[in-house]
Amino acid sequence: DQQVKQNSPSLSVQEGRISILNCDYTNSMFDYFLWYKKYPAEGPTFLISISSIKDKNEDGRFTVFLNKSAKHLSLHIVPSQPGDSAVYFCAASVSSGSARQLTFGSGTQLTVLP
Amino acid sequence: EPEVTQTPSHQVTQMGQEVILRCVPISNHLYFYWYRQILGQKVEFLVSFYNNEISEKSEIFDDQFSVERPDGSNFTLKIRSTKLEDSAMYFCASSDGLAGFYNEQFFGPGTRLTVL
Repeated sequence: DQQVKQNSPSLSVQEGRISILNCDYTNSMFDYFLWYKKYPAEGPTFLISISSIKDKNEDGRFTVFLNKSAKHLSLHIVPSQPGDSAVYFCAASVSSGSARQLTFGSGTQLTVLP
Repeated sequence: EPEVTQTPSHQVTQMGQEVILRCVPISNHLYFYWYRQILGQKVEFLVSFYNNEISEKSEIFDDQFSVERPDGSNFTLKIRSTKLEDSAMYFCASSDGLAGFYNEQFFGPGTRLTVL
């Protein structure tokens, strides 16, 4: 089951530069997308989300872009900081009722180098 | 800031034994979830729970699994007869379920279950 794919298992970026994490999905029914950050031995921490009626959502240093025709979303972190080093998961859901199970990608390990 | 809590942080059990994993969701949230992550694999949905009943469940959530909200604060996942392949991190999550809004799910720190 590869409905949500993160093709880059790892990414290294210099402090202060932009980090771009990518995610692709195959299920056209997905209409809500989220990014989570995860440190070792902790649960996923919600970062930012976007619904399918938008193509961009911004929150401080984090911006998520959605390209529905390409079934692609990306998370931009500007400027990157060493504390951003973590595993980033893309997740997607379908609006069926109100309890929306999340389908996760496999994650991208981001390392921000000082 | 309100958070989801889970106990225990690590549970070791013998194959065939019953385990109960406990979660305290965020207090005003209405929707509760269990996910698991087997080492090296994706986070996988198990079950969602609303209004004292299961809303959705995955193929993983078979008859060996059950969930319960025994009181106003706790949400539990029971595995009746554990198998080796049940070894994983189990995450509880909750969301506020406001009608008409897409809801972020907030995750607890997880319980690492090791089945020997």
